[in-house]
Amino acid sequence: KAGVTQTPRYLIKTRGQQVTLSCSPISGHRSVSWYQQTPGQGLQFLFEYFSETQRNKGNFPGRFSGRQFSNSRSEMNVSTLELGDSALYLCASSSGLSGGPLTDTQYFGPGTRLTVL
Amino acid sequence: AQTVTQSQPEMSVQEAETVTLSCTYDTSESDYYLFWYKQPPSRQMILVIRQEAYKQQNATENRFSVNFQKAAKSFSLKISDSQLGDAAMYFCAYRTAGGTSYGKLTFGQGTILTVHP
Repeated sequence: KAGVTQTPRYLIKTRGQQVTLSCSPISGHRSVSWYQQTPGQGLQFLFEYFSETQRNKGNFPGRFSGRQFSNSRSEMNVSTLELGDSALYLCASSSGLSGGPLTDTQYFGPGTRLTVL
Repeated sequence: AQTVTQSQPEMSVQEAETVTLSCTYDTSESDYYLFWYKQPPSRQMILVIRQEAYKQQNATENRFSVNFQKAAKSFSLKISDSQLGDAAMYFCAYRTAGGTSYGKLTFGQGTILTVHP
């Protein structure tokens, strides 16, 4: 099976702009989770989507939003970019079903490196 | 809220030797899952090993094994016969079993492992 893919891999934006990141999960996976990774804050959970519905959300401002399509692909949007939004954004896919770590393990994509100038 | 602590920012090991990475966590829940992920310089997060909290038996995956001490809330990773390819940042992660914490992994701050030839 193909792994999780993320596009674009690298992105440079300026403050005030908005950005959309894309994530395609492993075939058959219905859950997509997004994480922000920075040197200062480490890995932080943004939100999770399952079957086109947001099931969980982390402590991020409303500028961070997402959505999921019927084919389970997900997009994350950040509006009014700030310098502090510079980070590696990782998405992870899983079955999204309960049943233990074997069935609900998250597999990560290569990430999108966002730089805000 | 659950927290995960990795007290060793950096560790080093000689090739073919054994190294143990530490992880402690804080939770009031009785059922949960624990994971170790590896992030090499490519930044791709790779699953190393996973453990269910209600299973007493420690998980093992080839050269990787864990020492899970539920009462002490400790989950250390042992890497045997270390190889140059094991050099990476290692993250310990916690996930609630069921409930409303869908898709949310809580990560430690990571341990950078250096392998010397």
